[in-house]
Amino acid sequence: NAGVTQTPKFQVLKTGQSMTLQCAQDMNHEYMSWYRQDPGMGLRLIHYSVGAGITDQGEVPNGYNVSRSTTEDFPLRLLSAAPSQTSVYFCASSYTQGPGEAFFGQGTRLTVV
Amino acid sequence: AQSVSQHNHHVILSEAASLELGCNYSYGGTVNLFWYVQYPGQHLQLLLKYFSGDPLVKGIKGFEAEFIKSKFSFNLRKPSVQWSDTAEYFCAVENTGFQKLVFGTGTRLLVSP
Repeated sequence: NAGVTQTPKFQVLKTGQSMTLQCAQDMNHEYMSWYRQDPGMGLRLIHYSVGAGITDQGEVPNGYNVSRSTTEDFPLRLLSAAPSQTSVYFCASSYTQGPGEAFFGQGTRLTVV
Repeated sequence: AQSVSQHNHHVILSEAASLELGCNYSYGGTVNLFWYVQYPGQHLQLLLKYFSGDPLVKGIKGFEAEFIKSKFSFNLRKPSVQWSDTAEYFCAVENTGFQKLVFGTGTRLLVSP
């Protein structure tokens, strides 16, 4: 059982580049979310989805887009990377309609230079 | 909006010492409460959760937490810590129906052998 899989694990981008962080879960969870983790700031919610075709903004959505075309996948797109987006990104899913008991991926460490 | 405070940012203990980490949240109503642990270099894992019922909940690895509604608190405790408990601990709160999990800023625990 793979759980929540994130790719890539590490990425370096130049300012202005775009990229997509991938997240997939094989637990048939309806709820999925993206967080960024920064030192001293805990985890902050970027976007979330309560099911296929439904997404909504979290606390820090600017500069990021998401889509949810299937239950399994929830990619996070950085439109034009900025140094302020240097962070560790975690994807999570849960089997309830809300975030509830979240299962986290291994994280993606992104550096924007 | 909900906010979660973890007042201890760094805690250093010797093995066998007792642990208590504070967690307070700002917004009342019906809440689900969680403690997550992040071991060095790893993703977040659920330590314990409270949805309803007995306000004293027990989790994995000998951890427990007590929900005190009147104090908006959900403190984490362990009677005797081990070196392997070295990690970062996050408190998280979900207001039912709000579909968002709000994290505290985390507490780094270092247990010296």
